This record gives sequence, C-alpha cells and structure tokens, in this order.
Amino acid sequence: GAVVSQHPSRVICKSGTSVKIECRSLDFQATTMFWYRQFPKKSLMLMATSNEGSKATYEQGVEKDKFLINHASLTLSTLTVTSAHPEDSSFYICSASRASTTNEKLFFGSGTQLSVL
Amino acid sequence: GENVEQHPSTLSVQEGDSAVIKCTYSDSASNYFPWYKQELGKGPQLIIDIRSNVGEKKDQRIAVTLNKTAKHFSLHITETQPEDSAVYFCAASKGQAGTALIFGKGTTLSVSS
Repeated sequence: GAVVSQHPSRVICKSGTSVKIECRSLDFQATTMFWYRQFPKKSLMLMATSNEGSKATYEQGVEKDKFLINHASLTLSTLTVTSAHPEDSSFYICSASRASTTNEKLFFGSGTQLSVL
Repeated sequence: GENVEQHPSTLSVQEGDSAVIKCTYSDSASNYFPWYKQELGKGPQLIIDIRSNVGEKKDQRIAVTLNKTAKHFSLHITETQPEDSAVYFCAASKGQAGTALIFGKGTTLSVSS
C-alpha cells in the first residue's frame, strides 16, 4: 500500500511562533496533496488542496496567510502555521493521491497534534 | 457542494454482533465512497471503498453497500471484535485523481467483550 509520512507527530509551541509540518509520499508520486484539520471528536475538515508546482487552493474560511502551503515536489508538501495562537491548536492531517488520472484513493499521514500555549 | 451525513454518531455492540453505519450524500455527481477507520491520535486508514458502478463490495468481515438512487451507502461489520473499536468515517468524492474527500461526522464504535 501507499505510505504517507507526516512529521512531526506532536508539537508544542509558544503563541506567536511559526510551526512547519511536513507530509511526504514515500513510495509514490503525489500530484495532489490535501490538508485537513480535525478537532477533538469531530470530523476532518478540508483546509486546502495542494498541487505540485502551483499555488494551493484554500477552502472558504481558511486564511491562506496563516496557513502557508508549499508543494515543491511530487513527494513533499509542507503546511506552515504562521504566528500560531491557541485557537490554532488542533490535529492536522495530510493526505495524498497518486499521480494518476484514474486512481482516486487518498492515503493519509499519521497526523500532527499542534498545541499552542 | 457535497454534504455527507453519517449515523449513528455512537454505536455500542457486543463482541460477535454485527455493526451497521449509514451515510447519505447530496451530490449526484459523487461516484467514489470510501470508509476510513481512525484510532485515537492517528490518521485515518482506508478499510474499504466502493465506486458508483458497483452495488456491493465485501472484504472478509467488512462490506459496503451503495444505493445510488437513494444516495446512501452503508458499512457492515460482521463478527465484531474489540479491536474493531474506533471511529469510522464515510466519505464521498467525484472520484477523479486530485479530488478531495468530503467526510461524514464519524461514528464511534465500541465493541465490548
């Protein structure tokens, strides 16, 4: 199966600092990666769609200047939470789909628990 | 846009019983319906999926059924085991590569021995 690696798994930071989360597809090329956010006991909410080599597409209500997404290669996408505040504390999960026009399966990373003090 | 409703939100069963989780979707253009299992503190894992040209799919103790006309699909787990305890999410998408999944709100399944 396809493996998506996400790091770090847990991060605690002070309010006002920036945090970078990495998402890598280990054994396949991912044209598109997605970033989701999940609150405790809630569903996964799509934040943005990231295509390799182009700007990310953000969902309504998601601040693109706060959540910077970079997808510089077919195996790596990063999410940077800038000037983090306690309300940004959440579980962030990335997912990736293979670079294929017929494969719609999404594979998820293990998630990053962000706690902003 | 697509909206996915999932029921029940919690489900408790005895070991060996069957569990059924139901979802409905709103966008008739959706044609790919995966189910994910998520354990505490981990990312979701794909357990089974179905495409709109199929009415039913089975994989050992897990099966999924799809009714396109009614726009609903269900997950069936037979002979439940304690390790089946987790949160289960249904999702829908238009099934093209690069298309995001829209998730239901999840069902917390508890299997007691």
